[in-house]
Amino acid sequence: GENVEQHPSTLSVQEGDSAVIKCTYSDSASNYFPWYKQELGKRPQLIIDIRSNVGEKKDQRIAVTLNKTAKHFSLHITETQPEDSAVYFCAAIPYNFNKFYFGSGTKLNVKP
Amino acid sequence: DAGVTQSPTHLIKTRGQQVTLRCSPKSGHDTVSWYQQALGQGPQFIFQYYEEEERQRGNFPDRFSGHQFPNYSSELNVNALLLGDSALYLCASSFGAGSGEKLFFGSGTQLSVL
Repeated sequence: GENVEQHPSTLSVQEGDSAVIKCTYSDSASNYFPWYKQELGKRPQLIIDIRSNVGEKKDQRIAVTLNKTAKHFSLHITETQPEDSAVYFCAAIPYNFNKFYFGSGTKLNVKP
Repeated sequence: DAGVTQSPTHLIKTRGQQVTLRCSPKSGHDTVSWYQQALGQGPQFIFQYYEEEERQRGNFPDRFSGHQFPNYSSELNVNALLLGDSALYLCASSFGAGSGEKLFFGSGTQLSVL
């Protein structure tokens, strides 16, 4: 099955700085890559996603890039704000399943 | 428009007992998936239900079973509870069981096994 690795496990940045979280996947058949944000005690919420026919997608301060050849994808958050503090999970979904394989999460702390 | 709802929010059981968790999908969704999230970990896929049948299953023992009803709601049953079953159980719904359908999560049921 698919194996997703996520780095770093914790990330601390100053408010206004950028944050980058990276994930690698093992199954070249994976074709859908969402990112979820989970605040303490709350449900994971989809913040952005990308499909394998696209290299980059941006939504305001959030962007995701995908390198299919290297089998890695990254989440970029610019101009971070304290409310961005949360745990972020990446996931990879194989072509013929809707089974989400999640990374182990990155705890982002944005210091005011 | 209600999102994904789960009940109960918290549950305390003892080893060997059985538990049933419930989920109602987001309006318009017909597929329900269950995930187990241990503390500090990413969610792990348990199984998926579509058209009242289990369509896919993760690496979980047969103690974990489920059901989907005609109204698309679902139950997760866990028998012979172990301490290691303590986790947050997340239900997620989507429209269709195909690849790449967006998943929407409920707030979860926090299960503690003593």
